[in-house]
Amino acid sequence: NAGVTQTPKFRVLKTGQSMTLLCAQDMNHEYMYWYRQDPGMGLRLIHYSVGEGTTAKGEVPDGYNVSRLKKQNFLLGLESAAPSQTSVYFCASSPYSLAGIYNEQFFGPGTRLTVL
Amino acid sequence: KQEVTQIPAALSVPEGENLVLNCSFTDSAIYNLQWFRQDPGKGLTSLLLIQSSQREQTSGRLNASLDKSSGRSTLYIAASQPGDSATYLCAVRGANSKLTFGKGITLSVRP
Repeated sequence: NAGVTQTPKFRVLKTGQSMTLLCAQDMNHEYMYWYRQDPGMGLRLIHYSVGEGTTAKGEVPDGYNVSRLKKQNFLLGLESAAPSQTSVYFCASSPYSLAGIYNEQFFGPGTRLTVL
Repeated sequence: KQEVTQIPAALSVPEGENLVLNCSFTDSAIYNLQWFRQDPGKGLTSLLLIQSSQREQTSGRLNASLDKSSGRSTLYIAASQPGDSATYLCAVRGANSKLTFGKGITLSVRP
């Protein structure tokens, strides 16, 4: 199993450009998440999905869109990149939860994005 | 709003020392607490998951405890090694089913 993979690993954008980050998992997990990690801020949830075809907003969703067309993939889009979106982006997934017994999250290696 | 605090932000210890990393959270209504390790430039690796009904979990030299009523968790590392040097993060899953992370403790184990 590859686990959770993310592409690309690094990217540099100019202000106003758009891009899509791809997250893929081969563990048949129901739940998938996108986080950003910034110095002094910790990890913050951007968007998440509880199943194929569903998405929901997290703590910092502005400026981002997501799609979950296939169960194994979760895409994060930046329509018009801004310097404030310079960050490291992590994708995570976790199995379906029953009766409030939530399972652990598994993280990808991250995408380091710089917006000039 | 849930807040997770990890103090101190950095810790340096000599090899072989037993050490405790602390994590506190403000809202005791949690489903579970998860400890992660993050190496520089890498993703997060899950170390231990404690469900709200549990008091502790163990994996090798690691032992994590949870006191939900007081809003505290500790990660105990026995006989620390230079390879344990990393940033350790705790995260709690609250009633909104989302994970809230602390900012982490950067551990350096000196040979």
